[in-house]
Amino acid sequence: KAGVTQTPRYLIKTRGQQVTLSCSPISGHRSVSWYQQTPGQGLQFLFEYFSETQRNKGNFPGRFSGRQFSNSRSEMNVSTLELGDSALYLCASSLDGGAVNTEAFFGQGTRLTVV
Amino acid sequence: GENVEQHPSTLSVQEGDSAVIKCTYSDSASNYFPWYKQELGKRPQLIIDIRSNVGEKKDQRIAVTLNKTAKHFSLHITETQPEDSAVYFCAASKNSGNTGKLIFGQGTTLQVKP
Repeated sequence: KAGVTQTPRYLIKTRGQQVTLSCSPISGHRSVSWYQQTPGQGLQFLFEYFSETQRNKGNFPGRFSGRQFSNSRSEMNVSTLELGDSALYLCASSLDGGAVNTEAFFGQGTRLTVV
Repeated sequence: GENVEQHPSTLSVQEGDSAVIKCTYSDSASNYFPWYKQELGKRPQLIIDIRSNVGEKKDQRIAVTLNKTAKHFSLHITETQPEDSAVYFCAASKNSGNTGKLIFGQGTTLQVKP
């Protein structure tokens, strides 16, 4: 079974630009969550998508957005990039057992550098 | 708000010793507590998890304990080996439409000296 796949692995962008990151979950997983990982702030929850709907949202500005497609693949977009957006962006997929938490599997991440 | 505090931030032990990492959560509705291990340059991987209806869980050299009253949970690694060296993250989550939202601690860098 293929794992969670994130593309691209590395990105370099200029301040003010926008970027789109992609995440393909494990087959059959319907929940996709996104996290930002930085040395200073650790792993911070961005948002979660389930059945093409945003189900949860973290404390990030509106420049951070996402969506999920009918095949559960997800994209996140960051507009008007700032230097502070440089980070490793991780997505995680889970089977979503409804009322019971199930294991979240992480992708390798996309390393975004804003210059 | 939802918060998870993790201590210590760094931990150095001799091979064969035990290591303990502690976490405290703020949201009393949290009922799922996974632990992730992240090796340098790699993705976080689940090593053990515990649900709120269980006080302790073991898997070979790894164990997790949960004290719901105090809102504490801890990771115990016995007979540590150099390959245990990594960053460990605790997390908390809850049910009812929130199963995909994990609140992470700040991480503990564990170094096991041969």
